[in-house]
Amino acid sequence: DAKTTQPTSMDCAEGRAANLPCNHSTISGNEYVYWYRQIHSQGPQYIIHGLKNNETNEMASLIITEDRKSSTLILPHATLRDTAVYYCIVRVAYGNQFYFGTGTSLTVIP
Amino acid sequence: DAGITQSPRYKITETGRQVTLMCHQTWSHSYMFWYRQDLGHGLRLIYYSAAADITDKGEVPDGYVVSRSKTENFPLTLESATRSQTSVYFCASSGRGGQVATDTQYFGPGTRLTVL
Repeated sequence: DAKTTQPTSMDCAEGRAANLPCNHSTISGNEYVYWYRQIHSQGPQYIIHGLKNNETNEMASLIITEDRKSSTLILPHATLRDTAVYYCIVRVAYGNQFYFGTGTSLTVIP
Repeated sequence: DAGITQSPRYKITETGRQVTLMCHQTWSHSYMFWYRQDLGHGLRLIYYSAAADITDKGEVPDGYVVSRSKTENFPLTLESATRSQTSVYFCASSGRGGQVATDTQYFGPGTRLTVL
């Protein structure tokens, strides 16, 4: 079973930052936090991942709390094309399986 | 073009028929995966393969068979399709699979299978 908790849905105004929260209170020291998104039933798309430190790439930023029990994915300037289901995944250091859960459905509003 | 492809993209079949879904990747990734996605369940791992001729079960393997004779191909076969196997199937690949936690899985576009 997925070890993360995410809100079922969120809205965000176009051009504003979208902040998607994720709780992973049982995360252990060697587990990474991954974020994927799925646009309209396409294959899931990798966004970002991190262990302890905050991470940033061309798509998004990942903020992980100091106790690592929660994280936030930030899309700095949301566009209509960012409307998708966003999955927060905790992945063990040595394991092949991603537990996707049901994710957060983000709707970017014009 | 490089990437991961799946075929067919849509398939309708009848109960009891054998169906094979194809997955092909051009990155020479050693690991490949099959997931199914149903409403309310997210994605669930069916089978995965660490290399040619090496496969292992995932979370929901019953009713499925896989093979991997070549690194780039990972077909999934439903030997006798059932209605409960109606789903969207995604194939994924990664360079080193679970051996390195930072190894990312890249997904194909999916196959929508309907079993009547």
